[in-house]
Amino acid sequence: DSGVTQTPKHLITATGQRVTLRCSPRSGDLSVYWYQQSLDQGLQFLIQYYNGEERAKGNILERFSAQQFPDLHSELNLSSLELGDSALYFCASSFQGFADTQYFGPGTRLTVL
Amino acid sequence: GESVGLHLPTLSVQEGDNSIINCAYSNSASDYFIWYKQESGKGPQFIIDIRSNMDKRQGQRVTVLLNKTVKHLSLQIAATQPGDSAVYFCAETNTGGFKTIFGAGTRLFVKA
Repeated sequence: DSGVTQTPKHLITATGQRVTLRCSPRSGDLSVYWYQQSLDQGLQFLIQYYNGEERAKGNILERFSAQQFPDLHSELNLSSLELGDSALYFCASSFQGFADTQYFGPGTRLTVL
Repeated sequence: GESVGLHLPTLSVQEGDNSIINCAYSNSASDYFIWYKQESGKGPQFIIDIRSNMDKRQGQRVTVLLNKTVKHLSLQIAATQPGDSAVYFCAETNTGGFKTIFGAGTRLFVKA
């Protein structure tokens, strides 16, 4: 158990809908990262927050957004969902937010029908 | 659990043998490297890391080697066990920026 929690574990929804994925980092970690993992791809970095502020952006679509709250938990919002958004979404956390080990949560499996 | 990376490079080894998983990284400015293990249905799990001022680091049954000249990283697993079967990812980052780049992954099969 990494100490990072993600909810829900599974999510099934329809195209065009909007969902919110939630992540609680390890106690003491200030930085949260979001990744997308499809069956035929590796881990694609989406976005990183550090102590409530956006720190780095990767391959995140405009239909996706995220935020980190004062209690350091984070939410990833996915809107106007398409079939191709079906994937595993992982949250990771680390203490200082650069060049340190990221600890991954168990992931949320999103299925868009 | 569900499989990740259906078309990943695959390494098949006999239980008890040593395994070597290789990774070519992309950014010559990267100065921190990590190996992760991902078992089916789970999130990636930290195995070992190395900074660019080192060329070798050892853990319990695992060794990471870094060759900055050719931008190559390897993970050696001694006396491979069935529980080592997983997908292994290398990751690179640098202290000047904040993005972590993950490699495509290698699937390790351990035959009993």
